[in-house]
Amino acid sequence: GAVVSQHPSRVICKSGTSVKIECRSLDFQATTMFWYRQFPKQSLMLMATSNEGSKATYEQGVEKDKFLINHASLTLSTLTVTSAHPEDSSFYICSARPTGYGYTFGSGTRLTVV
Amino acid sequence: AQSVSQHNHHVILSEAASLELGCNYSYGGTVNLFWYVQYPGQHLQLLLKYFSGDPLVKGIKGFEAEFIKSKFSFNLRKPSVQWSDTAEYFCAVNAQGGYNKLIFGAGTRLAVHP
Repeated sequence: GAVVSQHPSRVICKSGTSVKIECRSLDFQATTMFWYRQFPKQSLMLMATSNEGSKATYEQGVEKDKFLINHASLTLSTLTVTSAHPEDSSFYICSARPTGYGYTFGSGTRLTVV
Repeated sequence: AQSVSQHNHHVILSEAASLELGCNYSYGGTVNLFWYVQYPGQHLQLLLKYFSGDPLVKGIKGFEAEFIKSKFSFNLRKPSVQWSDTAEYFCAVNAQGGYNKLIFGAGTRLAVHP
């Protein structure tokens, strides 16, 4: 079945540094990918829609300059958390919709900013 | 804009009790509806989905959901819960068209006591 691979699974970084999270579609091409964040014991909040070859579409309230999204190929989307701060600590999940019906999710990245 | 409401934030049941979790969405057009489960420390897993046809959808692990268009609802049910059903349950809606983004409800935390 369609698989989305997300890397890294866990990352700890110092405040002020940047962190890149990768999301790859392994056996299908994804022109669109979705990035979510999930705070502890809360729901998944859609951050942005990543579009291959064009700018990402951000949800209201999400800082574009803070969360940089690049979708340079049909199988790779990246989310870079720039100048990370402790409040950015969260679980980040990417998703794609390979068949047009169901969604497949990455395994998530737990970011801890210290 | 589409939104999803899950009315029950925490549900506590004894084993063998029946379960019904409410989900309502707001969107006037055609939607695809999903229920996901997240077991403690694990990733999202699809329980069931509705696209069209029979509004009573059967999913994995004995779960089912009924789409009632007039009520904009997609409630999840299970006749007899087990301790292993302890998890967080998320209702999600995708409005057909556009970027096909998936919007999640706030989630319902279910605890089943032996």
